[in-house]
Amino acid sequence: SQQGEEDPQALSIQEGENATMNCSYKTSINNLQWYRQNSGRGLVHLILIRSNEREKHSGRLRVTLDTSKKSSSLLITASRAADTASYFCAPTGQTGGFKTIFGAGTRLFVKA
Amino acid sequence: DVKVTQSSRYLVKRTGEKVFLECVQDMDHENMFWYRQDPGLGLRLIYFSYDVKMKEKGDIPEGYSVSREKKERFSLILESASTNQTSMYLCASSPGTGVVGEKLFFGSGTQLSVL
Repeated sequence: SQQGEEDPQALSIQEGENATMNCSYKTSINNLQWYRQNSGRGLVHLILIRSNEREKHSGRLRVTLDTSKKSSSLLITASRAADTASYFCAPTGQTGGFKTIFGAGTRLFVKA
Repeated sequence: DVKVTQSSRYLVKRTGEKVFLECVQDMDHENMFWYRQDPGLGLRLIYFSYDVKMKEKGDIPEGYSVSREKKERFSLILESASTNQTSMYLCASSPGTGVVGEKLFFGSGTQLSVL
């Protein structure tokens, strides 16, 4: 099944700095999604990028996709303490069918 | 906004008990999913359903069963709870347009402790 692997496992930055998280996957995809999870809560969808797109923006979020390298990155600019959360990527493709598989995520801690 | 509601936020059960975790969504979604989340392991898919009374095994179905008698409700059943089923359980739904890789809407989770 399709699964992304996030890197780094954990990231600690100061408020106002940018945070970059990476995702690698193994097989071809239809799209790739990023989700956020605040401590002990459900996941919230952040952004979806299709396989024919290279970059997408949403507010302070910027996602890039490089299908030749089978990787994606999520950039959060001017981070805030409220961005402290775990971030998961979810690449989805035909091999996975309707299943969305998640990796272990990147834990981001933003210090005020 | 889509709302996915899980009936309990915290649950404590004894080994051997039969446990029901309930999930209800209010947006007429076709697909519903149950995941469990453990530290360092991420989310693992237990079961999913793409239609009423239809179910498919995920990656870790052993020890679990599911029921979907109505479109809006998807129940996860632990037939005989064991301590290794102590975990956070997350329910999700998606519209079911037939597109691979739909946006998932998650409930707030149920933290289950089996003693």
